[in-house]
Amino acid sequence: ETGVTQTPRHLVMGMTNKKSLKCEQHLGHNAMYWYKQSAKKPLELMFVYSLEERVENNSVPSRFSPECPNSSHLFLHLHTLQPEDSALYLCASSQALGGYEQYFGPGTRLTVT
Amino acid sequence: GDSVTQMEGPVTLSEEAFLTINCTYTATGYPSLFWYVQYPGEGLQLLLKATKADDKGSNKGFEATYRKETTSFHLEKGSVQVSDSAVYFCALRGSYGGSQGNLIFGKGTKLSVKP
Repeated sequence: ETGVTQTPRHLVMGMTNKKSLKCEQHLGHNAMYWYKQSAKKPLELMFVYSLEERVENNSVPSRFSPECPNSSHLFLHLHTLQPEDSALYLCASSQALGGYEQYFGPGTRLTVT
Repeated sequence: GDSVTQMEGPVTLSEEAFLTINCTYTATGYPSLFWYVQYPGEGLQLLLKATKADDKGSNKGFEATYRKETTSFHLEKGSVQVSDSAVYFCALRGSYGGSQGNLIFGKGTKLSVKP
């Protein structure tokens, strides 16, 4: 595997379920990001991690819980989601924070029923 | 705060037509500007960038010039191909404050090129 991978690519879950999204980067980067892409809206930055420490949390509801166990892996744990949380969730990584190019994964298409 | 505004889509063109996708921004200081492209079923890829006024970014026949006087970064291509069909995002990276290093995106413009 090369670049940034995300699993699963598609996920359908009920509002009472608990699920997790996984992101893995094979680039040796130290910073990782979660974005939410909704129809007709700009990409929203959700969380930023640098060297496994969370450095930014953009007012994201607590039903979204990120985890970064090491610099190569990033998870987004989901519980008691709402239908409006249905979106494409994109993971990205960069060499470090600041002015480095971000490399994106293909995303997980989440549908909350 | 910093923001990006890009033209609403979708944009439908015939092959070999000229493409312009408008992008304007609001930012403090001297941001860096980017165009990203998202092909169907894929993540975003960096298409081109410019880091200072009057810089021209170019890649795969696409060009955009950083115009500070008009706070614009319009994307152009002289002759589009069917394979250019994708969603294009304009973005900036601020130079000051808490958002330093974070990308701020426009809503995206979907381009469809017909043979």
